This record gives sequence, C-alpha cells and structure tokens, in this order.
Amino acid sequence: GQNIDQPTEMTATEGAIVQINCTYQTSGFNGLFWYQQHAGEAPTFLSYNVLDGLEEKGRFSSFLSRSKGYSYLLLKELQMKDSASYLCARNSGGYQKVTFGTGTKLQVIP
Amino acid sequence: DARVTQTPRHKVTEMGQEVTMRCQPILGHNTVFWYRQTMMQGLELLAYFRNRAPLDDSGMPKDRFSAEMPDATLATLKIQPSEPRDSAVYFCASGPSARPNYEQYFGPGTRLTVT
Repeated sequence: GQNIDQPTEMTATEGAIVQINCTYQTSGFNGLFWYQQHAGEAPTFLSYNVLDGLEEKGRFSSFLSRSKGYSYLLLKELQMKDSASYLCARNSGGYQKVTFGTGTKLQVIP
Repeated sequence: DARVTQTPRHKVTEMGQEVTMRCQPILGHNTVFWYRQTMMQGLELLAYFRNRAPLDDSGMPKDRFSAEMPDATLATLKIQPSEPRDSAVYFCASGPSARPNYEQYFGPGTRLTVT
C-alpha cells in the first residue's frame, strides 16, 4: 500500500541484533510507525518517528530519514518471543490516516 | 486495563448473508479505525472516524460495506451481501487524536469466513 516496502521474511539468532528496513513514498508524509504482530494476535505499537534520527526504547530502536524515505527497526539481544511480524506504517495528511506495509516476518532461532 | 473489544471473535457465514461486526473503543478515545487483514494484502484501512464523524472510507467497497458510529461507545461494520472474498480478519482500533504519537490500540479482531 502506497509504496511501502519491507522484506517479507528474516531469520536471526537468539541473542543477536537484527535490522528490519522499510522504504516509503515521501509525499504527504507525517510520521512513521512500527508495530509488532504475533501470529493470530492484534498489532501492538512499538514506535512512532516524526523527526530524523534514532530513537531508542529498551531493546528496540527505530530510525528515520525523511529525505530518503527510509526507516529501520533495530532489535537487540533477540529473544525467542521476538518472533513475530513487524509492520511499518506511514501517517499521511493532516489526519491519522495510516497505511501499513505487508510486514516482515521475523523468525528467531536458537 | 483499558482495551478495545470486538464481537464476535469468529464468524462463519454463507455467501449472501449480512454480517455485522461491533467494536467498543477505549473510553475517551475519539478516533476509531476499521482495518481488514489478509495474507495477500496485509493490513488495509477501510474507514476511520473522529468524534463519531466519518473522515475517510475510501478504502471500503461502498456497494456492500457500511461503517457507522451510533454513539461514542460503539462502532459497527456491516457487509451486505457478504462474498467469499470478504473472508479476512477485521480489526478495530481506537486512539486519542492528540499529538505527539497518534498511537492506535487494536482490538483482538473478528475472523470472518464466508463460504
């Protein structure tokens, strides 16, 4: 939707670091969300970036470059429970109209 | 703790039947969203409301879908008549419209199967 691109699947090892990239269409951009969704469950909010740079929140960090239409989610000290889909979504216009990417399914292996 | 609730959680129906899904947003939230999620399309925005007024329903097939907020505690999504291609998980989400983060809180979803 609306040219949001992220890898379909990724695999990483428990205890490692993984970076999930997202590119998006820059026109009408207001902010960039990351949501986590475990299989069979609802998405839950992780982060929202409006300004360029890195925002850290515990083991998770999110980066934004508005000029490049690029964001990434960085997960450190991976745990098995981090196996989930990670959804990148952009906020556009003056409203809260949010368009989601199709998500990156992350599998954490021992 | 405050949560978005949705009913029913699962619905199996035959093609041509009417389906009504209900959502109770978190008390105090003034924006409500309806999403549909499928494996092929991911999470798609169908409609959203602010202060019970519809702001955007461009993502919704108008001929068969309708969304309303009869009051601040209830949002409904109706499909009439339903078709097999409507099979999906339908999520309702609510959020405060105040800045800065516009976080949306999702309900558990209604899994709809149309046969």
